Amino acid sequence: AQSVTQLDSQVPVFEEAPVELRCNYSSSVSVYLFWYVQYPNQGLQLLLKYLSGSTLVKGINGFEAEFNKSQTSFHLRKPSVHISDTAEYFCAVINPTSGTYKYIFGTGTRLKVLA
Amino acid sequence: KAGVTQTPRYLIKTRGQQVTLSCSPISGHRSVSWYQQTPGQGLQFLFEYFSETQRNKGNFPGRFSGRQFSNSRSEMNVSTLELGDSALYLCASTSGRVPETQYFGPGTRLLVL
Repeated sequence: AQSVTQLDSQVPVFEEAPVELRCNYSSSVSVYLFWYVQYPNQGLQLLLKYLSGSTLVKGINGFEAEFNKSQTSFHLRKPSVHISDTAEYFCAVINPTSGTYKYIFGTGTRLKVLA
Repeated sequence: KAGVTQTPRYLIKTRGQQVTLSCSPISGHRSVSWYQQTPGQGLQFLFEYFSETQRNKGNFPGRFSGRQFSNSRSEMNVSTLELGDSALYLCASTSGRVPETQYFGPGTRLLVL
């Protein structure tokens, strides 16, 4: 069965510093990968997604992620964070060939940007 | 285009009661998925409906059920509430084709006392 692991439950970082949020998945087949962000008292919104092609994916708000098939990872990065990036971030995977249309989410990483 | 809407936004119930939550997807979207979000557990998939049929189901007890109407609106019902059912319940809609981005509603926060 597929699974998604977000190793860090909380990541504190100072404003304007770089950040990396880690995501690893387990799957023996090709998958599609997503990063979502959840601001307080809101639903999730898409940051970026990897379907195929270039392994470096750029998303909204200056975020990017790199797909690494050999490491089965899809880490999210931002070179310089802002206070407004404080939120919870979720990695998700779906197997497009399974026919189940079932997205598997990680447990989330809470990013806290400090002034 | 209006986003995904969920009603009510907040609910307080007592153990043993039942509750119904509603989700209206983005216009034209035919798939609605439901998730339970709790601290430390992340998002747990409940079920997905597409064109009024349950297409996928997660590993939740039979107390959790859902349905979808012809206008794609979906409801989720939880019977015989337990304290552990306290959570944020999110619904997400897509057109139903993989790898569609899921569009999430703001959620319904349920507190069971």
